[in-house]
Amino acid sequence: AQSVTQPDIHITVSEGASLELRCNYSYGATPYLFWYVQSPGQGLQLLLKYFSGDTLVQGIKGFEAEFKRSQSSFNLRKPSVHWSDAAEYFCAVGAPDDYKLSFGAGTTVTVRA
Amino acid sequence: NAGVTQTPKFQVLKTGQSMTLQCAQDMNHEYMSWYRQDPGMGLRLIHYSVGAGITDQGEVPNGYNVSRSTTEDFPLRLLSAAPSQTSVYFCASSPQRWASREQYFGPGTRLTVT
Repeated sequence: AQSVTQPDIHITVSEGASLELRCNYSYGATPYLFWYVQSPGQGLQLLLKYFSGDTLVQGIKGFEAEFKRSQSSFNLRKPSVHWSDAAEYFCAVGAPDDYKLSFGAGTTVTVRA
Repeated sequence: NAGVTQTPKFQVLKTGQSMTLQCAQDMNHEYMSWYRQDPGMGLRLIHYSVGAGITDQGEVPNGYNVSRSTTEDFPLRLLSAAPSQTSVYFCASSPQRWASREQYFGPGTRLTVT
């Protein structure tokens, strides 16, 4: 079965600074990988996904993520953070032949002025 | 399209009471699922369905029942509520297309069991 680890529980970043959120997965073959964002009191919104092909994927809101098979990682990045990026971010992994997703515990991002 | 809708938004139950959390989607998605979200634990899968009439257990199914009589609706029933079921519950759906596996989430139901 697949699993996800998000090593950072909480990250504080200054507005305008860059952001990187770490995600490590466990799965025997090439997984389906996702990043979701959850604003306070809201549901989850898909930021980006990786199925195959180019290992650098672009998402909404200026986010990108890079799939590194050798490191079993799918880290999320944003070059310049805005105050509205304060939220909780979840990495998720799925198998190509299954709809079920396994989620990480999440990383809370605080943006300071 | 309304997407995935959930009712109620908030609910307080007493221990031992039963209730049904409603979930509906208008995107004709085959796959639907229920998650619970607890602090520091991410989202955990309770039950899921790959189509009308087909349901299966996820990671944490105890104390919950589901049914899927139509493509649109996927209610979650709490049989006898316990304080350990205090959580935020999310319903999600996904189209049955090979190239797409992303799940669309509802706004959530915040449940408190006293």
